[in-house]
Amino acid sequence: DQQVKQNSPSLSVQEGRISILNCDYTNSMFDYFLWYKKYPAEGPTFLISISSIKDKNEDGRFTVFLNKSAKHLSLHIVPSQPGDSAVYFCAARGIQGAQKLVFGQGTRLTINP
Amino acid sequence: KAGVTQTPRYLIKTRGQQVTLSCSPISGHRSVSWYQQTPGQGLQFLFEYFSETQRNKGNFPGRFSGRQFSNSRSEMNVSTLELGDSALYLCASSQGQRHTGELFFGEGSRLTVL
Repeated sequence: DQQVKQNSPSLSVQEGRISILNCDYTNSMFDYFLWYKKYPAEGPTFLISISSIKDKNEDGRFTVFLNKSAKHLSLHIVPSQPGDSAVYFCAARGIQGAQKLVFGQGTRLTINP
Repeated sequence: KAGVTQTPRYLIKTRGQQVTLSCSPISGHRSVSWYQQTPGQGLQFLFEYFSETQRNKGNFPGRFSGRQFSNSRSEMNVSTLELGDSALYLCASSQGQRHTGELFFGEGSRLTVL
């Protein structure tokens, strides 16, 4: 039972344009949603998060949007840079414990010059 | 501030053997959690320890176990290895407080089972 899904295994975007990564979830009890970025041979690094009581959170070039009625969140990267090429994981936290995250399968983002 | 350190980084075992992986969290972090990453499955939660106590456990068989020591360092053990246990095992630490859920991950231990 995949509670968090990233339906696009890969995405290719031109440098300078907007990258939009999508994530769907099924469990309405999730209270926090997070995005992690992962480079090869490194562990995931935290990017940005959003509480379930908000619909938008912005941090520099990164914005996360949450649509609770559709159980959908998206990560917008503007403008996209070559260093953004990585695998992006969407994750959700249930209210039962802060450290237990449910991750999506990841989307490989490639920024083309 | 040193990050999360995992050892060994790479290891090869054969079916039926057992393996122990080690994790040193960021100084001051009391919570350690473990995740398994396999191709196409994303990261799957194994278990979490806080102050030497297991707080949460994922849906993995009993062959997967872990523990945490008084200095917050953690180990996980997999017994009677199967081919499907080949994966990247990631350790993450945090202060353990219920805030944004941000975890700090190590680089992982890549296990290959032959």
